[in-house]
Amino acid sequence: SQQGEEDPQALSIQEGENATMNCSYKTSINNLQWYRQNSGRGLVHLILIRSNEREKHSGRLRVTLDTSKKSSSLLITASRAADTASYFCATDGHTGGFKTIFGAGTRLFVKA
Amino acid sequence: GAVVSQHPSWVICKSGTSVKIECRSLDFQATTMFWYRQFPKQSLMLMATSNEGSKATYEQGVEKDKFLINHASLTLSTLTVTSAHPEDSSFYICSARATETNEKLFFGSGTQLSVL
Repeated sequence: SQQGEEDPQALSIQEGENATMNCSYKTSINNLQWYRQNSGRGLVHLILIRSNEREKHSGRLRVTLDTSKKSSSLLITASRAADTASYFCATDGHTGGFKTIFGAGTRLFVKA
Repeated sequence: GAVVSQHPSWVICKSGTSVKIECRSLDFQATTMFWYRQFPKQSLMLMATSNEGSKATYEQGVEKDKFLINHASLTLSTLTVTSAHPEDSSFYICSARATETNEKLFFGSGTQLSVL
């Protein structure tokens, strides 16, 4: 079964604006990851945050994790048209084996 | 970074035929690979975990006789969709971790299967 739920399902913004996507999960986790997928392609790993971390940065990406609320957010600052893609959160849980389960995803469209 | 190659990128077949999809780790050895299925505008659903030298571990609801997985070497896992039907049409993606303890997944480019 799916572990994560993401919102919004779809997001449309202007180039230069910030984009925020949220992810919630159900069980305890070892880490949470964010991936990006261009249409009809495989996924690309963006960033990983461990369960004992609260915030992490990578370039224009900022990820937060709140394990008490079982939620995470991905912020993309100064968005570009090339950021248009689907973004998924994924979790590696303590149970069910060492496997990664993906959330429903947010489809981001950045208008030039 | 680690590279995972998946072939074919797309395949069209007649109902009742079998289709094999290959997933190769090009610059690392993967004792474990994962197979996912994705419907349009939806998330990835884990189908099975492919283990080198042993049987695959299938997720609940996935028919092991329908989706045959073989992981004969440390760099190759194959997924065979047997007796394919139109409802098997989907996007199939494989992934692997570069090391056993590295949580980061590297993905193949996916295979779009269309069964007529």
